Amino acid sequence: GAGVSQTPSNKVTEKGKYVELRCDPISGHTALYWYRQSLGQGPEFLIYFQGTGAADDSGLPNDRFFAVRPEGSVSTLKIQRTERGDSAVYLCASSLRRGPVGTDTQYFGPGTRLTVL
Amino acid sequence: EDKVVQSPLSLVVHEGDTVTLNCSYEVTNFRSLLWYKQEKKAPTFLFMLTSSGIEKKSGRLSSILDKKELFSILNITATQTGDSAIYLCAAEPTYGNKLVFGAGTILRVKS
Repeated sequence: GAGVSQTPSNKVTEKGKYVELRCDPISGHTALYWYRQSLGQGPEFLIYFQGTGAADDSGLPNDRFFAVRPEGSVSTLKIQRTERGDSAVYLCASSLRRGPVGTDTQYFGPGTRLTVL
Repeated sequence: EDKVVQSPLSLVVHEGDTVTLNCSYEVTNFRSLLWYKQEKKAPTFLFMLTSSGIEKKSGRLSSILDKKELFSILNITATQTGDSAIYLCAAEPTYGNKLVFGAGTILRVKS
């Protein structure tokens, strides 16, 4: 595709509900990243996929957060038992990265604004 | 802990002014520094800097990195209202593949 796409663009849910956020990376990009951006802050890293596997999930705040990328392309970020503190913009990025060495540019999608009431 | 600090937090200028945005970083095993422009939601890529002292330029925007003093600046000359945005600076460690972002500088250009 032309760029990273994310759906939905906005999601309003009630405390305690389950939500899924979807990311479609740029075609051919093997690396995919999820970030969370709270108001007035820069994006904070959540998880990084290289292909189908989560190479680094050190940024996931707790076990209510989980992400998958079963076919190495589209990824879904899943949040269980949502809390008001989960309200933020969830950004997805992708890059060409083939391995751990060398520089690499991450290209971001427009994000999903999650509001937990 | 890896850290990126940007200054100023916000800035209001008039069209035609020149602005300088600052970014300092403390990152273990630094690999590169990136600048993004964020309007609405999606950060859009501006520059990636890996070497000290080499200016990168794109139109009215330019940026340079100082790896000895651990900082970078982003310059915008002859500002326009369309430059109004949040400018994010991010450091990339050699290992880990995740970007460490600063809080951003909010730039508002008044006509």
